[in-house]
Amino acid sequence: GAGVSQTPSNKVTEKGKYVELRCDPISGHTALYWYRQSLGQGPEFLIYFQGTGAADDSGLPNDRFFAVRPEGSVSTLKIQRTERGDSAVYLCASSLTSGSGYEQFFGPGTRLTVL
Amino acid sequence: AQSVTQLGSHVSVSEGALVLLRCNYSSSVPPYLFWYVQYPNQGLQLLLKYTTGATLVKGINGFEAEFKKSETSFHLTKPSAHMSDAAEYFCAVSEGGTSYGKLTFGQGTILTVHP
Repeated sequence: GAGVSQTPSNKVTEKGKYVELRCDPISGHTALYWYRQSLGQGPEFLIYFQGTGAADDSGLPNDRFFAVRPEGSVSTLKIQRTERGDSAVYLCASSLTSGSGYEQFFGPGTRLTVL
Repeated sequence: AQSVTQLGSHVSVSEGALVLLRCNYSSSVPPYLFWYVQYPNQGLQLLLKYTTGATLVKGINGFEAEFKKSETSFHLTKPSAHMSDAAEYFCAVSEGGTSYGKLTFGQGTILTVHP
């Protein structure tokens, strides 16, 4: 079946603009994770959903970042008033359910560039 | 808090030579440990994982890793490098037990394979 997909693959925006990044998880996967990968770094955890609810948003850097998963499938990461420091690759992953033993399947990422 | 350190941001080997990528972790609870590989313009792909049981773990593409609790290490090895192994490799840790599976990644090691 299809893997995790993310759209757009690339997004260029101007400082201060609003952006939305979309993630389509593997069908049937109830757990969904967002990570951010800055240049030369490993991915950093942002937020995790189990079903429709955000179970842990401790990795969101500030209140400009918000994510939703209204029907327990597709998720959208929203960034308000973008700053140049938000430039990074945003990765989405899904797993069958939550728990450390379950493999997380990653999407190809959305490369966000804030000019 | 858990953390991961990958020694060496770049490793270069000749085709057919041993591959050794180093990973040390810290965790306050028994960890689950992972190695992921990232090829250019592709998502992270799981190579192998350690949860419980046998400390020598075999993964895909001939890679293996050994969990050494006394050394807090989880080094990745492959006896004979192939050109197709050139990629970036990430070590990651997750708290086991009832943890939901949030991953903490190292900064990555870029593997170059010379003919």
